[in-house]
Amino acid sequence: GENVEQHPSTLSVQEGDSAVIKCTYSDSASNYFPWYKQELGKRPQLIIDIRSNVGEKKDQRIAVTLNKTAKHFSLHITETQPEDSAVYFCAAGAGNMLTFGGGTRLMVKP
Amino acid sequence: DTAVSQTPKYLVTQMGNDKSIKCEQNLGHDTMYWYKQDSKKFLKIMFSYNNKELIINETVPNRFSPKSPDKAHLNLHINSLELGDSAVYFCASSRDGAYEKLFFGSGTQLSVL
Repeated sequence: GENVEQHPSTLSVQEGDSAVIKCTYSDSASNYFPWYKQELGKRPQLIIDIRSNVGEKKDQRIAVTLNKTAKHFSLHITETQPEDSAVYFCAAGAGNMLTFGGGTRLMVKP
Repeated sequence: DTAVSQTPKYLVTQMGNDKSIKCEQNLGHDTMYWYKQDSKKFLKIMFSYNNKELIINETVPNRFSPKSPDKAHLNLHINSLELGDSAVYFCASSRDGAYEKLFFGSGTQLSVL
């Protein structure tokens, strides 16, 4: 089955800096890669997603890049703000399955 | 008018008891899921139903039994609760039988004493 590795597990940045979270996947059939944000005590919420026929996607301060050959994808957050503090999950979808990475706890220090 | 609602929010119970968690979505989605999030925040799929039919049943003890009376509801019944069942259980839904753009419920924190 699919295996998704996510790094780092924790990330601390100063407000205004950029944050990068990286994921690798194992199943070359995976074709859908979403990112979810989970604030403390809340539900995971989709923030951005990308399909395998696209190399990069941007939405305001958030961007995702995908390298199909290397089987890795990344989340980039620019100009971080304290409200960006949360746990971020990557995931890879193939067939009818979505497999999540282990999560990254992002802390943005004011 | 919450999109995906699950009850109860907190569930504290003794080992060996049987409990249920209910989930309802008003998004008109065809597919519903149960995910388990352990203490390390790892999210793992347990079950998936599409139009009341089971389509994913991961390696979950048969003490866990999902039931979908209609496509807007997916309940989770757990028999003979064990300490290791303590976790947050999230219900989720998506449209068209796909796993894309999941909408999660607010979670049920289950604590087995």
